[in-house]
Amino acid sequence: QVQLRESGPGLVKPSGTLSLTCEVSGVSITTSSRNWWGWVRQAPGKGLEWIGEIYHSGSTHYNPSLKSRVTISVDKPKNQFSLRLSSVTAADTAVYYCVRTSVTRWFDPWGPGTLVAVSS
Amino acid sequence: EIVLTQSPATLSLSPGERATLSCGASQSVSSSFLAWYQQKPGLAPRLLIYDASSRATDIPDRFSGSGSGTDFTLTISRLEPEDFAVYYCQQYGSSPWTFGQGTKVQIK
Repeated sequence: QVQLRESGPGLVKPSGTLSLTCEVSGVSITTSSRNWWGWVRQAPGKGLEWIGEIYHSGSTHYNPSLKSRVTISVDKPKNQFSLRLSSVTAADTAVYYCVRTSVTRWFDPWGPGTLVAVSS
Repeated sequence: EIVLTQSPATLSLSPGERATLSCGASQSVSSSFLAWYQQKPGLAPRLLIYDASSRATDIPDRFSGSGSGTDFTLTISRLEPEDFAVYYCQQYGSSPWTFGQGTKVQIK
């Protein structure tokens, strides 16, 4: 059974960098050749926004709306992948979910999510 | 990017009733690459339907999806108490992958 779990600071200061890690269990990122691994966020009371994705080779795709501030990386020995979002503002306050992404790009499963607040 | 518009925003129904949720796309979604998710308060979304009409693993057959091009529908044939939640559609035919704003199915 594939499981994902996000971890990282719950509070980031404005203009700082948000950093989250997603630990994957039940499957190897390296050998899961039909999957990408991604991040989706949800601002409080709002809808869902796709942030970006990474393949085990290191190839990435980002949402153009966030591309200038986002970096997604993979750590194959630890079977995890990470999100960095720079120059954050209050608008980046959200629950951040990591997701396994199918080869065609639907999302399943999702991690439980972690709330990150941007505040001084 | 493809904009998805879900309607209605809120659907008030009773258990046992049929629910019909719509998702309209600003341009054609290639290969019917459209998914539906269910989200309950405080929980992560759960995949229900992918490729417009394929049920995900362990999803009851009262959930069905249909549609192509720019018009898609999620139908819940008989609402169970656990089905009252928010439902999102997502297109993955054209990057960036985008979501609709959601339809809340609430108890009447």
